Amino acid sequence: LAKTTQPISMDSYEGQEVNITCSHNNIATNDYITWYQQFPSQGPRFIIQGYKTKVTNEVASLFIPADRKSSTLSLPRVSLSDTAVYYCLVGEKNNDMRFGAGTRLTVKP
Amino acid sequence: GAGVSQSPSNKVTEKGKDVELRCDPISGHTALYWYRQSLGQGLEFLIYFQGNSAPDKSGLPSDRFSAERTGGSVSTLTIQRTQQEDSAVYLCASSSVAGSSGANVLTFGAGSRLTVL
Repeated sequence: LAKTTQPISMDSYEGQEVNITCSHNNIATNDYITWYQQFPSQGPRFIIQGYKTKVTNEVASLFIPADRKSSTLSLPRVSLSDTAVYYCLVGEKNNDMRFGAGTRLTVKP
Repeated sequence: GAGVSQSPSNKVTEKGKDVELRCDPISGHTALYWYRQSLGQGLEFLIYFQGNSAPDKSGLPSDRFSAERTGGSVSTLTIQRTQQEDSAVYLCASSSVAGSSGANVLTFGAGSRLTVL
């Protein structure tokens, strides 16, 4: 299983763009990259998933370089409610999903 | 149901007692996961069920932990002879099988908070 490395914590201010990078040097050919968000006292919830290049949805963008050894979750114009822990997972379809320690994002006014 | 349902939401027990935690996945989801999250920590993988295949039990921390999934739907996580270090939130997630592209996307329940005194 590919191991992921993320910053433990990040601080930002309201209205700024936040980029969280995840390293996954031993990602396998069949692996996809998935990001989840977790608020206190709740289970994680899916944000975005990608395989290569760029994926965008109504919440975030995911940038994946050609070598796929890292990925960057981009949150545009964050608000206080984006304060949460963000997890990067790497895995192939129909397989177990193991979470790393995540990145604790704090958005300040 | 509309979401993943877990019960009980809170459980306080005495050291040495057995506990059972229940997970009712989204209807039609064939994959089911259990995780443990200690206070302020990340999610620790426990066990994964996929359809009728043998479960991946590689994350269970000791033989006091076991899980079953009856009829491919409801799952029960059992912790025998509970210890204080078992205190944590136990999260269940389910997923439909990924199609031709993509990995499983997990939908989590609200969790069961276990406190062992």
